[in-house]
Amino acid sequence: EAAVTQSPRNKVTVTGGNVTLSCRQTNSHNYMYWYRQDTGHGLRLIHYSYGAGNLQIGDVPDGYKATRTTQEDFFLLLELASPSQTSLYFCASSDETGGYYAEQFFGPGTRLTVL
Amino acid sequence: GDSVTQTEGPVTLSEGTSLTVNCSYETKQYPTLFWYVQYPGEGPQLLFKVPKANEKGSNRGFEATYNKEATSFHLQKASVQESDSAVYYCALGDYQGGRALIFGTGTTVSVSP
Repeated sequence: EAAVTQSPRNKVTVTGGNVTLSCRQTNSHNYMYWYRQDTGHGLRLIHYSYGAGNLQIGDVPDGYKATRTTQEDFFLLLELASPSQTSLYFCASSDETGGYYAEQFFGPGTRLTVL
Repeated sequence: GDSVTQTEGPVTLSEGTSLTVNCSYETKQYPTLFWYVQYPGEGPQLLFKVPKANEKGSNRGFEATYNKEATSFHLQKASVQESDSAVYYCALGDYQGGRALIFGTGTTVSVSP
């Protein structure tokens, strides 16, 4: 079974602060994704990647950068955090079988609060 | 663009009653349809998926039929349990190059004993 871990699990920062959210998957999946989850909006895709060094823009990318350093590691960067980025963030991964509509495996989430 | 619309929650039920969560989708392609479930404090996990029109998916007593004509994929369970309390997401994946899954807004289901 795929294992996706996220750190930190909770983070509080101030407006204008820098935040890095980390995600690691240990199942050799090529695809990784960052989502944010907000009441009334469900899961919204921020960025995704299909391999080390690759980055694709999702539906709500403004204010976020991402970097995929290895097959296992995908980072989400908020360089000037704003209160509107207070949310629950999920990382997910999937393998190349079935392409982009393969099953995605999610991490436990990181709750970010921007004061 | 592609989209998914599902029942607005919360949905509150008693144990032993039936559940239906409606899901409708829009796409010009030939999607695979998914139901995900998210339990409190966890990330979403796949409940089941159906890649072909007019086929049914099922898992843990839940089922949904991929209705291409009606562009629907309603989730049903005949008799719910308290442990079914969760958020349910309908999602769509299609051939549009470079897309990840498109999720609905989620439906919170609460089952009381």
